[in-house]
Amino acid sequence: QVQFVQSGAAVKKPGASVKVSCKASGYTFTSYAMHWVRQAPGQRLEWMGWINVGNGDTKYSQNLQGRVTITRDTSASTAYMELSSLRSEDTAVYYCASGHSAAAHFWGQGTLITVSS
Amino acid sequence: NFMLTQPHSVSESPGKTVTISCTGSSGNIASNYVQWYQQRPGSAPTTVIYEANQRPSGVPDRFSGSIDSSSNSASLTISGLKTEDEADYYCQSYDSSNWVFGGGTKLTVL
Repeated sequence: QVQFVQSGAAVKKPGASVKVSCKASGYTFTSYAMHWVRQAPGQRLEWMGWINVGNGDTKYSQNLQGRVTITRDTSASTAYMELSSLRSEDTAVYYCASGHSAAAHFWGQGTLITVSS
Repeated sequence: NFMLTQPHSVSESPGKTVTISCTGSSGNIASNYVQWYQQRPGSAPTTVIYEANQRPSGVPDRFSGSIDSSSNSASLTISGLKTEDEADYYCQSYDSSNWVFGGGTKLTVL
């Protein structure tokens, strides 16, 4: 069955960067897109961007343009999301989700990133 | 910017049917895929409907999705409500390849 293992929770200082990983199994990694979605405490889901795992093309939310980078390592069936210049508003649970460009079919368990001095 | 609007909360009794709406701010919601995600408290979202009316394997047929072009809205209908259906439900579509989420609807089954 489709499974994702995301990296563990982390606490970061304002201005730092964080890189979250998402290791996929149970399907052909390169056949589906990978999206990243975050959710601040008590807030709605927010889309961050996606990567065409097959060719590496990416598209990012305009709200995060310039601060977010999504990459993948096809040999390790793993996708990564890096967010830079962290601020307190970036405190959230970060999810990876696979599917096609317009929809998610399967979701990771989430990674809590706390930004605090 | 394109937005999706959902009711903040709905409630219904076990065994009944409930419908959650998702209204697009512009354009034609029927021309883009609409998805519905269920998020139980403290858990990751799961997909219950994709491409307006398709159910992933494992999702019971009590869950169904539809589109009403006249009101530019999508709907999620859950029949035979169970207490385990109590959750937040988010609709999602996209605009110029950017995903857009609705604000979420809290479903209470009481």
